[in-house]
Amino acid sequence: GAGVSQSPSNKVTEKGKDVELRCDPISGHTALYWYRQSLGQGLEFLIYFQGNSAPDKSGLPSDRFSAERTGGSVSTLTIQRTQQEDSAVYLCASSTSPSPWGYTFGSGTRLTVV
Amino acid sequence: GQQVMQIPQYQHVQEGEDFTTYCNSSTTLSNIQWYKQRPGGHPVFLIQLVKSGEVKKQKRLTFQFGEAKKNSSLHITATQTTDVGTYFCAGQGGSRLTFGEGTQLTVNP
Repeated sequence: GAGVSQSPSNKVTEKGKDVELRCDPISGHTALYWYRQSLGQGLEFLIYFQGNSAPDKSGLPSDRFSAERTGGSVSTLTIQRTQQEDSAVYLCASSTSPSPWGYTFGSGTRLTVV
Repeated sequence: GQQVMQIPQYQHVQEGEDFTTYCNSSTTLSNIQWYKQRPGGHPVFLIQLVKSGEVKKQKRLTFQFGEAKKNSSLHITATQTTDVGTYFCAGQGGSRLTFGEGTQLTVNP
């Protein structure tokens, strides 16, 4: 597609429920990243996929968080047993690798855990 | 792990004044990138600096990469209301970017 597409754009869930966030990167971009941004804060790295290599999961805050990337394209970030502190905007980005044009971010999914 | 510090956290200026934000990394970087995030929006890539001492300009914006490749700055000359937003630096030391906390710029008309 023309840009990075994320869905849903907003998600309100009850504490303890599982959620799935989807990211559809730019076609041809081999690298895909998930970041989390709390209100008024910077971007916290979560996970990085590069081609067929094993993902860099070093940023995942707990074992409740997991992500997969199927067929080198679409990625799903799953949060199990959501907690209120999981509330944030989850941003997906993709890029070529290497990339002199930086990352292209999606519009994000705003997750609210009530 | 790699840390990227950015100052100031907030900056309020009158339209027409200049603005500078500074970025400092705990480790030597292979490159540094700058992004702008408008209120309610997502980060948008502005530029990448790769070479030691590199200076790049985009109209009223001037970006510098330090000689040691550990610090960088973004300077905006004669700010306009369209410059409002949060400016993030992001350092690449390995396979992915580490973002600074950002500088939120407000411009009073």
